[in-house]
Parts: sequence; C-alpha cells; structure tokens
Amino acid sequence: AQSVTQLGSHVSVSEGALVLLRCNYSSSVPPYLFWYVQYPNQGLQLLLKYTTGATLVKGINGFEAEFKKSETSFHLTKPSAHMSDAAEYFCASSRGGANAGKSTFGDGTTLTVKP
Amino acid sequence: EAGVTQFPSHSVIEKGQTVTLRCDPISGHDNLYWYRRVMGKEIKFLLHFVKESKQDESGMPNNRFLAERTGGTYSTLKVQPAELEDSGVYFCASSRDFLTDTQYFGPGTRLTVL
Repeated sequence: AQSVTQLGSHVSVSEGALVLLRCNYSSSVPPYLFWYVQYPNQGLQLLLKYTTGATLVKGINGFEAEFKKSETSFHLTKPSAHMSDAAEYFCASSRGGANAGKSTFGDGTTLTVKP
Repeated sequence: EAGVTQFPSHSVIEKGQTVTLRCDPISGHDNLYWYRRVMGKEIKFLLHFVKESKQDESGMPNNRFLAERTGGTYSTLKVQPAELEDSGVYFCASSRDFLTDTQYFGPGTRLTVL
C-alpha cells in the first residue's frame, strides 16, 4: 500500500527566507507525485507534479520539487517566501495506470510566513 | 471555464439524519472523485467515477455512504444515517482523463454531525 508522510504539520518562515516542506513516500512501484496548496475557503490547487522524466519539477508561484528515488522523497522548495504563500500544503502520490485516479495524501503542512 | 463546485459549503446535522452532498465537475470531465478529510488528518480517497460508472469505490467507509452520478454529469454523495465520525470536509475533484491529467478540486463541503 502507498503512504505519504509530510514531516512537520506546521512550518514557520520569515518573509524572504527559504521555504522547505518535506515529503516522503512509500510505494512498491514508481509513483506519480504531486504537491497541492489550499488557501482558506478554497479547493486544493495543483502546484506541481512529477510523472516521468526530469526529476526537478518546476511549478507555479516559484515553487519546485525534486524527485529523489534513492531517498523516496519529493520535498517542496521556494527560494524566497512571500506573505501570500501562507497556506496549507499537501503532498500526494498515485500509482499511475489504472489506479492513477486514486491519490494518497499526506496529513498536510501549514506554512506561516512572518513579516 | 467554471471550476468544480460543491454544495452546500457547510452542513450541520444531528446524528441519525441524512445528508446529501452535491458536486458539479468541470464541463467535459469524465472523471469525478470524492475524497474526505476527517479531523485535520490526511485527505482520503473515497471513490472514482468514469462518466456514470464507478471505477473504484474501495475507499467508501461503509454502506451508509451512497454515491451516484446519473447521466455522467453531477454527482451526489448521500450519508444515511449520519454518525459522529462522518464529520469532516468532503472534497470533490474532476479530471479529463485519469492517467496523468490534473485533478481539479472543489472547495469542499464541511459536514458536522452533532
């Protein structure tokens, strides 16, 4: 069975500082990996996804993530935090193929950005 | 293009009552998914429709939950009778195809069972 672990339910950074949100996955087959963001009273919005190919994936709003198979990780980074980045972030995986629609999510990480 | 919409945004009911949640996917999206987040924990998959057919309902917790998608357009998720542990946020998502296509999520319905 797949599982996704997000390390740290709350992360706080100063405006302009590096954002690093950690995600580790377990899967018996190479997974598809996703990062979503949820702003208050809104649905989840896809930030970026990894399916195949280049392991460094660039997403919207300056975020990027690197798929590291040897570490079973897919950490999300942004060089310089902005106040508007404050939100809850979810890492998710799916197995692809016939089960591609069934995503497994982590518990979420709430990012706070201090002025 | 309108996004995924869900109704109601909030619902508060008594234990034992029935509640029906509705999801309208993005037009043209054959794939529709239901997820649930309970007590701030992880978002869990409930089921997946392809058009009007249930592709995967392995995440449905028990037979008190009934999902339908008549005509392959909007979907409803009925909980009957509701129990306290059903409280949470129910998300709906849709996608054009399910292989690698992005799932677009609605804002969710917050269900509180008292």
